[in-house]
Amino acid sequence: EAGVAQSPRYKIIEKRQSVAFWCNPISGHATLYWYQQILGQGPKLLIQFQNNGVVDDSQLPKDRFSAERLKGVDSTLKIQPAKLEDSAVYLCASTRGEQRNIQYFGAGTRLSVL
Amino acid sequence: KNQVEQSPQSLIILEGKNCTLQCNYTVSPFSNLRWYKQDTGRGPVSLTIMTFSENTKSNGRYTATLDADTKQSSLHITASQLSDSASYICVVIRYQKVTFGIGTKLQVIP
Repeated sequence: EAGVAQSPRYKIIEKRQSVAFWCNPISGHATLYWYQQILGQGPKLLIQFQNNGVVDDSQLPKDRFSAERLKGVDSTLKIQPAKLEDSAVYLCASTRGEQRNIQYFGAGTRLSVL
Repeated sequence: KNQVEQSPQSLIILEGKNCTLQCNYTVSPFSNLRWYKQDTGRGPVSLTIMTFSENTKSNGRYTATLDADTKQSSLHITASQLSDSASYICVVIRYQKVTFGIGTKLQVIP
């Protein structure tokens, strides 16, 4: 089966600009996660969707970050405006409903904020 | 204090040698504990998954152990290869909450 697709792979922006990332999970996977991974650290969960509903967004900086999964399939994560400390890799992962403990990760989008 | 702590932070070993990575956690009980391998510039890939009641799980040259009494897990890599160079991340899952360790960066040199 095809893996989790993310785009773009790399993005360089200046602070205060806006940026959006896209994720297409594995077909049939109901749960989708967005993680932020700062260099040298483990991934930090930003938001978790179950179909098109939000399960957990407690660590999402809602003043600047937003995410949506309108049709319960692909998802977008937006940062507006970006700060220097947002420089990180943004990982998307998905799980099948009955195998919710097996996460499949995309390659990630590496964001550099200058 | 991080709920999942890994050691060492980094490790360099010679090709062909064995190594053991450690994970100490405070999340308890949990539904499962996983070890992921993350190559540079790639997303994490699952190596092993253990439930609370399991104490060992193997995947080729990778063997994970779990001691629920001491809240420790280890990942043992046998006969290391250059392609084992990566970060190894310990992940503990309790209900739907996923807690990642910072990872151990392993470098295998010829």
